[in-house]
Amino acid sequence: AQSVSQHNHHVILSEAASLELGCNYSYGGTVNLFWYVQYPGQHLQLLLKYFSGDPLVKGIKGFEAEFIKSKFSFNLRKPSVQWSDTAEYFCAVSPWDNAGNMLTFGGGTRLMVKP
Amino acid sequence: KAGVTQTPRYLIKTRGQQVTLSCSPISGHRSVSWYQQTPGQGLQFLFEYFSETQRNKGNFPGRFSGRQFSNSRSEMNVSTLELGDSALYLCASSLAGQGLNTEAFFGQGTRLTVV
Repeated sequence: AQSVSQHNHHVILSEAASLELGCNYSYGGTVNLFWYVQYPGQHLQLLLKYFSGDPLVKGIKGFEAEFIKSKFSFNLRKPSVQWSDTAEYFCAVSPWDNAGNMLTFGGGTRLMVKP
Repeated sequence: KAGVTQTPRYLIKTRGQQVTLSCSPISGHRSVSWYQQTPGQGLQFLFEYFSETQRNKGNFPGRFSGRQFSNSRSEMNVSTLELGDSALYLCASSLAGQGLNTEAFFGQGTRLTVV
């Protein structure tokens, strides 16, 4: 069975600060990797995804993530956060060899950006 | 195009009762997954249906069941409700298993409160 760890449960930043949220996973095989965001009162939305290829992936709203296979990590980054980035962020994995869509989520990181 | 639609948005039930939640996927999506979101346990995978068949199952008791209809709409049923079943239940649809490795799109969720 796979598991996902997000090390930071709460993060508070000022606008224009840089962001890095950690995500590590445990699984014996190849995985697909995702970052989802949940803005207050809204549904989960995909920020970015990694299936294969270039380990540095770019998503929406200026977010990017880097897959480091040797470290089982998929950290999310943004060079300069905005107040509108205040949300909860979830890292998730699914087994690459499973034809279905079965996500295992991390515990989430609540980000608050102070204006 | 229309997103994933879940009904109802809010439900209040009494312990011991049963409840049925509904999910209409994005048009063309044949995979529907269900997740439970609670403050204590986070987001947990319940099960996934594809072409009316359960393809994957999480680690939940048999009181949690689901089904999928020929139009890909899905229902989730929880019998003999317990207080601990109070949660946000999320439905997600995707093209997974249709020759594409792709992400899940989430609905707004159904907030179930058991009293």
